[in-house]
Amino acid sequence: DIQMTQSPSFVSAFVGDRVTITCRANQGISRWLAWYQQKPGKAPKLLIYGTSNLQSGVPSRFSGSGSGTDFTLTISSLQPEDFATYYCQQANNFPLTFGGGTKVEIK
Amino acid sequence: QVLLQESGPGPVKPSETLSLTCTVSGGSIRAYFWSWIRQPPGKGLEWIGYISYSGSTNYNPSLKSRVTISVDTSKNQFSLNLNSVTAADTAIYYCANRVDGDYGHWFDPWGQGTLVTVSS
Repeated sequence: DIQMTQSPSFVSAFVGDRVTITCRANQGISRWLAWYQQKPGKAPKLLIYGTSNLQSGVPSRFSGSGSGTDFTLTISSLQPEDFATYYCQQANNFPLTFGGGTKVEIK
Repeated sequence: QVLLQESGPGPVKPSETLSLTCTVSGGSIRAYFWSWIRQPPGKGLEWIGYISYSGSTNYNPSLKSRVTISVDTSKNQFSLNLNSVTAADTAIYYCANRVDGDYGHWFDPWGQGTLVTVSS
């Protein structure tokens, strides 16, 4: 199985801050990576697929980059509705696997 | 717009079988692949497996010996059976559409999820 490691596991930030979350795969997955946002009590919501492709309706303050084993999700200016837990998912090999999550909280 | 809704009988006793159904609306189940994913309370996400409308399946090796996913195209539903459950199987269970594209496989949309508690 491909293991996905996210860091940090917790981020405390102000509204307006730039936030970067890292996801690392233990083997190369090209650009086959997706990101999800999960709010408390809700199902995960797809944000980005193919490393950098924004899902329809996702605000442009979200962006993704990377290739191979190292990937980042960036929120350029954190908004109140962005406080949530974010998960990466490798989209390359079965079994499909997720990172452990990064919780973004209000400072 | 495709919508998914999980349903199931509620709590399950240890050693029994967990059974859930996902109803697909707003689209045909014949169009895509369909997955089950679970999340223990306060923890991360684990992919369980997928099924196509024709019945081809792929399961997570960690659960393969206990999992069966089936499809009923006449009802636009697919189902999950997980046998010999223990407390470790207590989780929110989500059904989701598996999207296949140039960059692999991802999940969108998801059902709202249903909490299944394994307890005697």
